[in-house]
Amino acid sequence: DGGITQSPKYLFRKEGQNVTLSCEQNLNHDAMYWYRQDPGQGLRLIYYSQIVNDFQKGDIAEGYSVSREKKESFPLTVTSAQKNPTAFYLCASRSREGGETQYFGPGTRLLVL
Amino acid sequence: AQSVTQLDSQVPVFEEAPVELRCNYSSSVSVYLFWYVQYPNQGLQLLLKYLSGSTLVESINGFEAEFNKSQTSFHLRKPSVHISDTAEYFCAVLLSGSSNTGKLIFGQGTTLQVKP
Repeated sequence: DGGITQSPKYLFRKEGQNVTLSCEQNLNHDAMYWYRQDPGQGLRLIYYSQIVNDFQKGDIAEGYSVSREKKESFPLTVTSAQKNPTAFYLCASRSREGGETQYFGPGTRLLVL
Repeated sequence: AQSVTQLDSQVPVFEEAPVELRCNYSSSVSVYLFWYVQYPNQGLQLLLKYLSGSTLVESINGFEAEFNKSQTSFHLRKPSVHISDTAEYFCAVLLSGSSNTGKLIFGQGTTLQVKP
């Protein structure tokens, strides 16, 4: 089945620790996105990538980093500089060839110990 | 600045009653419009979208939305809701100038609570 997978489903971070959230897609989509979801605030864009080896900051990139070494993968690292990381993180992808629609993964919930 | 406003954070409704979830946007350029649904602890699923053509768009599970350019609205409606429609609903806008990057602007979400 084609789709987007995110792992793990739940992730716990200790103080001062960097953690990495995985996002993989087999839809052959060029563009990929990371969003942060907090209650009552909708979704806010963290980073996005339109092509391999290229990515741009979104609206709330501080404290996060990404890489795009393969078309299928777009991992997000939550660094120790992100002081309030507790949230639900969603990955999405989109085809650049006439595709306006973003398709979402199941999400990762990050909690701070 | 462009924005999307979902006027109701929560909408309680009884089963089999009609419902309308409101969405307004501010933009001076052409837009594409989307409604997504999110069930608890899951990702977002596309419900319906308006790209061009008929201003009334429908989903396979009975929802419909109408693009009203003069009122800059894209309200979501269903004539008779089911318990299984209980979820959070997000309205999103893609500006025509952002169609290359695909950057969506999301509303804050509306929680639809269907009561038996």
